[in-house]
Amino acid sequence: AQSVTQLGSHVSVSEGALVLLRCNYSSSVPPYLFWYVQYPNQGLQLLLKYTSAATLVKGINGFEAEFKKSETSFHLTKPSAHMSDAAEYFCAVSDSGTYKYIFGTGTRLKVLA
Amino acid sequence: SQTIHQWPATLVQPVGSPLSLECTVEGTSNPNLYWYRQAAGRGLQLLFYSVGIGQISSEVPQNLSASRPQDRQFILSSKKLLLSDSGFYLCAWSAGHYEQYFGPGTRLTVT
Repeated sequence: AQSVTQLGSHVSVSEGALVLLRCNYSSSVPPYLFWYVQYPNQGLQLLLKYTSAATLVKGINGFEAEFKKSETSFHLTKPSAHMSDAAEYFCAVSDSGTYKYIFGTGTRLKVLA
Repeated sequence: SQTIHQWPATLVQPVGSPLSLECTVEGTSNPNLYWYRQAAGRGLQLLFYSVGIGQISSEVPQNLSASRPQDRQFILSSKKLLLSDSGFYLCAWSAGHYEQYFGPGTRLTVT
């Protein structure tokens, strides 16, 4: 069965510092991978997606992620954190055998002034 | 463009009362539809998904049910709410295996 692991349930960075949120997946076939952001009391918003095209994927708000098959990773990065980036981030993979999506447990990002 | 609506936005219900949450999608046809629940400080729990009218797959039987009476309408119901049903309920849609799009959510508090 496919699974997604997000390392670090809470990550704190200083404003202007690099943001790195980790996601590892397990899949027997090339997956579709996604990063979502959730602000308090709101639904999830798609940040970016990997669908077997370019391995470096650029998303909204200056975020990007790199698909590394050898490491089964899809880490999310942003060169310079902004206060408005404080939110919860979810990594997800679409299940190739069904129409379900497997979500990680989420990483709450805190940005320090 | 596609939009997804959920209502109500917030709901406070006593234990043992019924529940009906509605989700509708506009601007697309034959979407896959999903109901998720987030308990406080927890991740996403898939409750139900549907790939077509009348086709419902249940991930969490419990006391909840889902129906899809129309192509772009997805309803989450319960006959008798439990305290443990409190949470943030999210509806989502997708086209095939591609990205999901989420609604704004319903905050349910069972008292």
